[in-house]
Amino acid sequence: AQKVTQAQTEISVVEKEDVTLDCVYETRDTTYYLFWYKQPPSGELVFLIRRNSFDEQNEISGRYSWNFQKSTSSFNFTITASQVVDSAVYFCALSGSTNQAGTALIFGKGTTLSVSS
Amino acid sequence: GAVVSQHPSWVICKSGTSVKIECRSLDFQATTMFWYRQFPKQSLMLMATSNEGSKATYEQGVEKDKFLINHASLTLSTLTVTSAHPEDSSFYICSALFLGELFFGEGSRLTVL
Repeated sequence: AQKVTQAQTEISVVEKEDVTLDCVYETRDTTYYLFWYKQPPSGELVFLIRRNSFDEQNEISGRYSWNFQKSTSSFNFTITASQVVDSAVYFCALSGSTNQAGTALIFGKGTTLSVSS
Repeated sequence: GAVVSQHPSWVICKSGTSVKIECRSLDFQATTMFWYRQFPKQSLMLMATSNEGSKATYEQGVEKDKFLINHASLTLSTLTVTSAHPEDSSFYICSALFLGELFFGEGSRLTVL
């Protein structure tokens, strides 16, 4: 069975601090995809990144970076120099190959990040 | 990018009434759409997979007679909450599959009084 674990329920930091959100996944698929989404108070899901199981290169996008390690089944997300606008709930998600129709996402429970000024 | 729109964004209804939520793919055709439910401060839980022209596939524990899903066209899936009760109050989010990518709607917040 597929499972996503986000052990950190809530994290509070002060602006400009770096913060890492942890994500551990379980799957028996050899091909799979990992995602991170941001959900601000408005509720809409904001897509941040998709990574396939064959690409273990770390990704950096501005203040965001992701560390994918298949050996530990982890896909951690780091925000550098956090800002108040980063305050939101962040979800890690897993799917089988999205080339197959009917593959939905399995979401972790989410981590609520609060950034204070 | 592809756009998925949900309507209404929020709805308040009385207990016992039925509410319909629409999920539209605005600039692409989606043979497959997914419906999720999110209770306050909780994760998104998959309710059902909606396939155009066929019956929806429901996840375990989701009542198909209570949550009616219709995917009559390639751009529209609807979720009808029948005989709504306060415990059905939740945030309902749809997503559509297009060219291997998933696109999410803005969500619909249902409050049942």
